[in-house]
Amino acid sequence: EAGVAQSPRYKIIEKRQSVAFWCNPISGHATLYWYQQILGQGPKLLIQFQNNGVVDDSQLPKDRFSAERLKGVDSTLKIQPAKLEDSAVYLCASTPLAQETQYFGPGTRLLVL
Amino acid sequence: SQQGEEDPQALSIQEGENATMNCSYKTSINNLQWYRQNSGRGLVHLILIRSNEREKHSGRLRVTLDTSKKSSSLLITASRAADTASYFCATALYNNNDMRFGAGTRLTVKP
Repeated sequence: EAGVAQSPRYKIIEKRQSVAFWCNPISGHATLYWYQQILGQGPKLLIQFQNNGVVDDSQLPKDRFSAERLKGVDSTLKIQPAKLEDSAVYLCASTPLAQETQYFGPGTRLLVL
Repeated sequence: SQQGEEDPQALSIQEGENATMNCSYKTSINNLQWYRQNSGRGLVHLILIRSNEREKHSGRLRVTLDTSKKSSSLLITASRAADTASYFCATALYNNNDMRFGAGTRLTVKP
């Protein structure tokens, strides 16, 4: 089966610009996660969806970050405007309903200059 | 904020030796998971242990969980160069809610 797809793989922008990341989870997976991983640290959960509803967005900086999963399948994460400290790898993961094993995509590496 | 703390931060061993990594966490959990991340790649799930379990095995992996001490350990036996990666523990509540990762242990296995 195809894995979690993410695009783009790399993005370089200047501070105050906007950027969007896309994630297509494994077919049939109900739960989708977005993580931010800063160099040398573990992933930090930004938002968790179950189908098209938000389960947890307590660590999402809502003044600049937004995410949606309108049809309960693929998802986009947006940063507007970007700051230098947003430089990180943004990981998407998915799980089947009522299971815990997360399947991760390759990530999008963002550099904010 | 991150929940778990891995110890050590970095570990270097020879091929064939065993590697032990520890994870401590702060709050009550439903399950604890271990993931591996090769450089520049996404994470791969290794093993999950539930709060009512004390030990699990999977191939060369052995995981223990001590909920009274809020700690877990991952043992990799007979290590191989291909085991070189970063290893993360992640804790979660029921339904994988409140997923929290630690900062990871960087393991280097020398051939």
